[in-house]
Amino acid sequence: DTGVSQNPRHKITKRGQNVTFRCDPISEHNRLYWYRQTLGQGPEFLTYFQNEAQLEKSRLLSDRFSAERPKGSFSTLEIQRTEQGDSAMYLCASSLGRSGTPSYSNQPQHFGDGTRLSIL
Amino acid sequence: AQSVAQPEDQVNVAEGNPLTVKCTYSVSGNPYLFWYVQYPNRGLQFLLKYITGDNLVKGSYGFEAEFNKSQTSFHLKKPSALVSDSALYFCAVRPDRGSTLGRLYFGRGTQLTVWP
Repeated sequence: DTGVSQNPRHKITKRGQNVTFRCDPISEHNRLYWYRQTLGQGPEFLTYFQNEAQLEKSRLLSDRFSAERPKGSFSTLEIQRTEQGDSAMYLCASSLGRSGTPSYSNQPQHFGDGTRLSIL
Repeated sequence: AQSVAQPEDQVNVAEGNPLTVKCTYSVSGNPYLFWYVQYPNRGLQFLLKYITGDNLVKGSYGFEAEFNKSQTSFHLKKPSALVSDSALYFCAVRPDRGSTLGRLYFGRGTQLTVWP
């Protein structure tokens, strides 16, 4: 079963460093999502791609955060000048949606196991 | 604004007994509703969804959920709990209209513990 794959699983870095995470979605899924989860909370939406287009961004996604999905397949999430408050689990999810004009999808999102970021 | 409430941080139940994990929601328009389960240091696993139709939906591992529009609730249920059901459960909602196309809104989660 080829599910959503995230790398690395764990990342420890010093405050002020840049980090990059990778997500490989389920191959036939055209929609890809990033969420952030902190202890005791549910996942919070960060951003969403349909194919290579970034269609929605949360206000949580400050200018230190950038996400890409250059060929509509894998995606990367980069955090620049990391801060203590960035420590969290970063989750990627993918789903199948209708191609063409972005539309609402009732398909479930399938999640990877996440990347846990710890800022020293 | 869209939101999900899971009023219980923890639910404890004996193995073999029925379990209920509660969820209420607030959404613009009609809701798409989902339940997910999370085991330690893992991502979320999809359990079931309600889109339209029958108010009782069945999902994975013997779980089911009942949609109640008047009470804006979507409670997760299982007739007979197993120790292996012990995990963190999340309810999520997505509206069928509005400016947010893709995002799910999650509750804070309910830790289910099933003791032998």
